[in-house]
Amino acid sequence: AQTVTQSQPEMSVQEAETVTLSCTYDTSESDYYLFWYKQPPSRQMILVIRQEAYKQQNATENRFSVNFQKAAKSFSLKISDSQLGDAAMYFCAYRYNNNDMRFGAGTRLTVKP
Amino acid sequence: GAGVSQSPRYKVAKRGQDVALRCDPISGHVSLFWYQQALGQGPEFLTYFQNEAQLDKSGLPSDRFFAERPEGSVSTLKIQRTQQEDSAVYLCASSLWDNSPLHFGNGTRLTVT
Repeated sequence: AQTVTQSQPEMSVQEAETVTLSCTYDTSESDYYLFWYKQPPSRQMILVIRQEAYKQQNATENRFSVNFQKAAKSFSLKISDSQLGDAAMYFCAYRYNNNDMRFGAGTRLTVKP
Repeated sequence: GAGVSQSPRYKVAKRGQDVALRCDPISGHVSLFWYQQALGQGPEFLTYFQNEAQLDKSGLPSDRFFAERPEGSVSTLKIQRTQQEDSAVYLCASSLWDNSPLHFGNGTRLTVT
């Protein structure tokens, strides 16, 4: 079974600073997909970034980037130049083939002005 | 709008009542997922459709839970004889095809009193 672990229930960052959210996962597969989703109080899950496991290059999306370590089964999210609008719950997720997406328990990010 | 639409947004049910939650996926999306999200937790997989076929229902917690997608578009999640432990946010997501990113709706918050 695939499991996703987020070991940081809460994180805090000063506006304009950088923060890294951790995620590890467990799988026996070699080809899969990893995602970071953001969930603001509105409840809608918003895709932040996506990584294909067969790609060695780390994905980036503007201020968001990942550090994907396949051997260590680690997939951390770095948010640079944090903004007040980044405050939300962040979920790491794993998906293999056409199976369901598995989520971690989430990290609540607070951005201090 | 072009996003995933869920209704109702809030539902209060007395214990023992039946409820039906609706999901309108993005037009043309083949895959449709239902998730249950307890307060402060990550989404937990319930069931998955590919077009009208329910390919995986392993996450449904009991036989009181039933989902359908008869024409391969709109889906309904039905919960019979609701219990207090059914109180949660129910999220629906769709994707264009397997392994493309999931697009989520705003969810339905179910409260069973």
